[in-house]
Amino acid sequence: DAGITQSPRHKVTETGTPVTLRCHQTENHRYMYWYRQDPGHGLRLIHYSYGVKDTDKGEVSDGYSVSRSKTEDFLLTLESATSSQTSVYFCASFDRNTEAFFGQGTRLTVV
Amino acid sequence: TQLLEQSPQFLSIQEGENLTVYCNSSSVFSSLQWYRQEPGEGPVLLVTVVTGGEVKKLKRLTFQFGDARKDSSLHITAAQPGDTGLYLCAGVPRSGGSNYKLTFGKGTLLTVNP
Repeated sequence: DAGITQSPRHKVTETGTPVTLRCHQTENHRYMYWYRQDPGHGLRLIHYSYGVKDTDKGEVSDGYSVSRSKTEDFLLTLESATSSQTSVYFCASFDRNTEAFFGQGTRLTVV
Repeated sequence: TQLLEQSPQFLSIQEGENLTVYCNSSSVFSSLQWYRQEPGEGPVLLVTVVTGGEVKKLKRLTFQFGDARKDSSLHITAAQPGDTGLYLCAGVPRSGGSNYKLTFGKGTLLTVNP
């Protein structure tokens, strides 16, 4: 099985509260990614990391921040959750000439 | 604007038919990947193509990377109900340098009816 896990798997939170999603990989991959998946939109890149403490924005980064203090961990924070951030969030890890692995997703509902 | 355009978005066919899914872009890619995703699960990598003009076969699935490295196709021969799923293409733009920004198309939702 792929060595990447996401937590929590499901979360319901209230509008305006901060939320942190966690991604942990054991593949020693250099690159890690956070995506959100909504009907009709496929996977949209939120933020990605190309090394410890090296991160960059994706196409839908507004309202999100990330941190990567260790190779294996990549955190996604919703600074003040809104209903438009209700989605399924996927983390992935990847390295050149290797297979990309995805977590099983986190279903986030903002009420 | 979507960097990778996939077509068709939806495809419903009968068991035994052949089909082709397309992934197109105006940008050049270092590599393109194809994934399959089932409901409630994360995408699973099917193949990576890295050389312009490359053709890779995976049982009944044939993947092709365009000569100019801007497009790719996935052809399934004699589709089976087990092929049902969301097929996604993804790529790393060549202009992205060493940061490896992996971006996805919107996907093709394939349904194979028995």
